[in-house]
Amino acid sequence: EAEVAQSPRYKITEKSQAVAFWCDPISGHATLYWYRQILGQGPELLVQFQDESVVDDSQLPKDRFSAERLKGVDSTLKIQPAELGDSAMYLCASSSAHGANYRETADFGPGTRLLVL
Amino acid sequence: KQEVTQIPAALSVPEGENLVLNCSFTDSAIYNLQWFRQDPGKGLTSLLLIQSSQREQTSGRLNASLDKSSGRSTLYIAASQPGDSATYLCAVLTYSGGGADGLTFGKGTHLIIQP
Repeated sequence: EAEVAQSPRYKITEKSQAVAFWCDPISGHATLYWYRQILGQGPELLVQFQDESVVDDSQLPKDRFSAERLKGVDSTLKIQPAELGDSAMYLCASSSAHGANYRETADFGPGTRLLVL
Repeated sequence: KQEVTQIPAALSVPEGENLVLNCSFTDSAIYNLQWFRQDPGKGLTSLLLIQSSQREQTSGRLNASLDKSSGRSTLYIAASQPGDSATYLCAVLTYSGGGADGLTFGKGTHLIIQP
């Protein structure tokens, strides 16, 4: 069964350093999401892509976060510089849903757990 | 802005009991509502997806209902087992001008089933 792949699974870094996370969605899924989940909270959307285009990045802290999906397939989320408050689980999800046909669930990857010291 | 609330935040019950988890949302303009399960330190597993036109969905011992007009959903777990212990998250997919926003999640219900 196809799965969303994420790497690394765990990352420890010091504040002010740069970190990058990678996501490979399920083949054929045009929609890709990055979520951040702080311990004890629900995931919050950071950015949504439709193919290579950003659909929603209103919750992305653009002074330090960036996301790209250059060829409309895999995606990278970067933080520079990392801050203590960025410690969280970063989840990638993909979906084949488009237009008004949202009958398919989004498939989530295993996440990258980030600890900023 | 869509807001999702889950009650209770935590629940501990003996094995074998039937239980209900509650979810409410503020904006009824949704495409669908989903229930997810999350084990500690892991990603999310979709349990049930209810389209906005549906009233309920069932999968095994799980039954989810949706009352879109009142902004409520419940997840019913029958004959609970220790393996059901996890955090259960409710999420809604909301309309927006350009299509759909990403999923809006509640904070989850942390469930413990005592053997």
